[in-house]
Amino acid sequence: KAGVTQTPRYLIKTRGQQVTLSCSPISGHRSVSWYQQTPGQGLQFLFEYFSETQRNKGNFPGRFSGRQFSNSRSEMNVSTLELGDSALYLCASRHWGPSYNEQFFGPGTRLTVL
Amino acid sequence: GENVEQHPSTLSVQEGDSAVIKCTYSDSASNYFPWYKQELGKGPQLIIDIRSNVGEKKDQRIAVTLNKTAKHFSLHITETQPEDSAVYFCAAANFGNEKLTFGTGTRLTIIP
Repeated sequence: KAGVTQTPRYLIKTRGQQVTLSCSPISGHRSVSWYQQTPGQGLQFLFEYFSETQRNKGNFPGRFSGRQFSNSRSEMNVSTLELGDSALYLCASRHWGPSYNEQFFGPGTRLTVL
Repeated sequence: GENVEQHPSTLSVQEGDSAVIKCTYSDSASNYFPWYKQELGKGPQLIIDIRSNVGEKKDQRIAVTLNKTAKHFSLHITETQPEDSAVYFCAAANFGNEKLTFGTGTRLTIIP
């Protein structure tokens, strides 16, 4: 079974630009979450999508947005990039059910903002 | 919201010895506690998890213990090997508010 895939793996942008990252979950997983990982702040939750609806959201500004498609693939968008947005962006997928199910992470997209 | 503290931030252990990493959480409603291992250039990989109705869980050389009263949980790795060298993260989640809140990570180095 293929794991969580993320594209692109590396990205370089300049301040003020916008970026879109893509995530394909494990087959059968309908929940997709996004996390930002930085040396200073660690792993921080951005948002979770299930059935094309945002189910939960972290404490990030509105410049960070996401969506999920009917095939469970997800994208996240960051507009008006700032230097502080440089980070590893991780996507994770899981089954959605009556109890918390384990999340499987992808390899991440390394975003550098210059 | 939930806050997870993790100690130590770095840990060096002789090969073959045991390693222990400890975490505390603040939200008594949290009921799911996974541990992740992250190697360089990779995403976090789940190594073991425990739910609040269980006090201890073991999987070969890895074990996790949970003390709900004290709100802390620990990862124990026995007979450490060089491939155990990585960054380890604890996390907590509450079904109903289903985001994972992570600890700050422990860089474990196994000394051959």
